[in-house]
Amino acid sequence: KNEVEQSPQNLTAQEGEFITINCSYSVGISALHWLQQHPGGGIVSLFMLSSGKKKHGRLIATINIQEKHSSLHITASHPRDSAVYICAVAWSNDMRFGAGTRLTVKP
Amino acid sequence: NAGVTQTPKFRVLKTGQSMTLLCAQDMNHEYMYWYRQDPGMGLRLIHYSVGEGTTAKGEVPDGYNVSRLKKQNFLLGLESAAPSQTSVYFCASSPTGINYEQYFGPGTRLTVT
Repeated sequence: KNEVEQSPQNLTAQEGEFITINCSYSVGISALHWLQQHPGGGIVSLFMLSSGKKKHGRLIATINIQEKHSSLHITASHPRDSAVYICAVAWSNDMRFGAGTRLTVKP
Repeated sequence: NAGVTQTPKFRVLKTGQSMTLLCAQDMNHEYMYWYRQDPGMGLRLIHYSVGEGTTAKGEVPDGYNVSRLKKQNFLLGLESAAPSQTSVYFCASSPTGINYEQYFGPGTRLTVT
C-alpha cells in the first residue's frame, strides 16, 4: 500500500484554467512537500507545509492535517506550468513520495 | 553558487560492475539524501546523512552503500550492479532536517545491462 496517493495521474488543461491536484496520505506526518519536475527532469521544491495554506505567485498549497489531505492549486494556468507535480510526506527522517501528476497546459 | 551537482550524468554498467556516484553541494547544508526514481513508482529514499561522518538507511537501502567524509560531498556506491538498479538517481540537500525545503541535483541516469 502506498502511503501517498495523488490524483489525478494525468491532467490536461487549457491556458487560463484553474488547476487542482490532490494528495492524500495515510501516516502521521511532520511536513508535506510539493515538488515540480520539469520535462527535462530537474526537480524543484515548491512548498513545504505543516499546516494551513501557503501562496507563491499563482500557486497555492493547502493542507488539512485531520483529513490527511493536501491540494495544490494553480490559478491562470500557462503552458510553462506543464510539468509533473509530486507530493511528498515527511516524518522523523523518512520521506515518501506520490507517483506524481502529469500536467499539460495547452495554449 | 552551483547548488547541488551530480557526477556523472549518464552511465551504463554491466551486471556485477561497481561504481560510485558523487553528489556535491556548496550551500553548507547539513542534511543530504540519495533517491532513486523509477517509472510509475515515484521517488524513493535510499540513504541519507544528517551531517559529516554520519549516514543512515532510507526506504530502499539494499545493494547500496554511502559515505559522507566531507560535509559538502555525499557518495553513493554500487558494489555489484544489478539490472534492478537501472534508474535515475537524484541527490538532494537541505539546511537542517526533513521538514525543510530540499534542493535537488540534476540526476544521474544509470543503466545496468
